Amino acid sequence: SQQGEEDPQALSIQEGENATMNCSYKTSINNLQWYRQNSGRGLVHLILIRSNEREKHSGRLRVTLDTSKKSSSLLITASRAADTASYFCATAPRGAGNKLTFGGGTRVLVKP
Amino acid sequence: GAVVSQHPSWVICKSGTSVKIECRSLDFQATTMFWYRQFPKQSLMLMATSNEGSKATYEQGVEKDKFLINHASLTLSTLTVTSAHPEDSSFYICSAERTPGNTIYFGEGSWLTVV
Repeated sequence: SQQGEEDPQALSIQEGENATMNCSYKTSINNLQWYRQNSGRGLVHLILIRSNEREKHSGRLRVTLDTSKKSSSLLITASRAADTASYFCATAPRGAGNKLTFGGGTRVLVKP
Repeated sequence: GAVVSQHPSWVICKSGTSVKIECRSLDFQATTMFWYRQFPKQSLMLMATSNEGSKATYEQGVEKDKFLINHASLTLSTLTVTSAHPEDSSFYICSAERTPGNTIYFGEGSWLTVV
């Protein structure tokens, strides 16, 4: 399968809570990226973590990468209703340039 | 910031007709662009890699004669869905790889509905 896997597939939380989602992939990678997609819209790039990095922060986002387990996690702290969206991880396999392989996505609902 | 524009944003066409979707990098050059397809509530699947001045590279299972890709300039790639069928209804989204450098930027996507 071209896709990696994400879990959970769906997540429902209250505003102010943290949201954590995980991504697993299959091949060696140059980097892993996380994107957000609002319903029916294009992708918004959130964060890129390189294969030699283990953790990265951007505002309320925290991403970890474990290349030995071929997995990554995205944590959104202090969630807001505006964070309601689908979140996708995408990997750039070694030697494949920017030909991205996307995970299945996590649909996050943040209830006010 | 770099902008990638897709046109049209949505289109409805009749079965059997062809429809063209444009992916344009507005303020940078892109030797390489990528076309993805996303069915409702599913993830993005890479269809093909579009290379300026040469033939596109298609992913396994994607019919190159049905999904025609033309990348005639450094700022424009087009995807033509030929002889469209209702099962081709989907969200088509492109990304463009900035040249020089290799940062990619996604377009806003194009909704295709075939009736």
